[in-house]
Amino acid sequence: AQSVTQLDSQVPVFEEAPVELRCNYSSSVSVYLFWYVQYPNQGLQLLLKYLSGSTLVKGINGFEAEFNKSQTSFHLRKPSVHISDTAEYFCAVTPSKGAQKLVFGQGTRLTINP
Amino acid sequence: SAVISQKPSRDICQRGTSLTIQCQVDSQVTMMFWYRQQPGQSLTLIATANQGSEATYESGFVIDKFPISRPNLTFSTLTVSNMSPEDSSIYLCSVEVTGTGYEQYFGPGTRLTVT
Repeated sequence: AQSVTQLDSQVPVFEEAPVELRCNYSSSVSVYLFWYVQYPNQGLQLLLKYLSGSTLVKGINGFEAEFNKSQTSFHLRKPSVHISDTAEYFCAVTPSKGAQKLVFGQGTRLTINP
Repeated sequence: SAVISQKPSRDICQRGTSLTIQCQVDSQVTMMFWYRQQPGQSLTLIATANQGSEATYESGFVIDKFPISRPNLTFSTLTVSNMSPEDSSIYLCSVEVTGTGYEQYFGPGTRLTVT
């Protein structure tokens, strides 16, 4: 089975500051990794994903994430945030083989202050 | 990609009643999923619904409480039966589109309040 831990439930940052949202996972098999964003009163939108290849993946809205297999981490970063980035961010994993079932972390609420 | 709509967007229901949530996709998909997001919590998978077969439920979820239909490749329903206040959640459907690299696309969710 897989599990995902998002180390920060809330992250407040000032506008134009850099941000890192941390995600660690546990799995006995190889996995694919995802970051989703949920804006208030909306469904989830995919930010980026790691399937294979380069460990640094770039997504939408200027976000990127780095897969670190030895540390079983997949941290999300953005060099300069905007007010519009205020949202809930979810890290998720699914086994790379077999049933494709997403397991989500608890979420990190990113609040951008002016 | 896929565009997903859900009906209703929100509802307030009395305990002991049932609500059926509809999920419509703009393209044919094999795999559809139903999730629950309890207030302030993350998403938990309820079941996987493939067309032409019975839904597969996750641990802690049973067919009598959450019956699912999947009559074709673009539509599914989830019924929340005999509701209690603990069923108050956002219910989301998602789909996996073949060829998109295992990513799932989510509907806007149905916000259910049980009084």
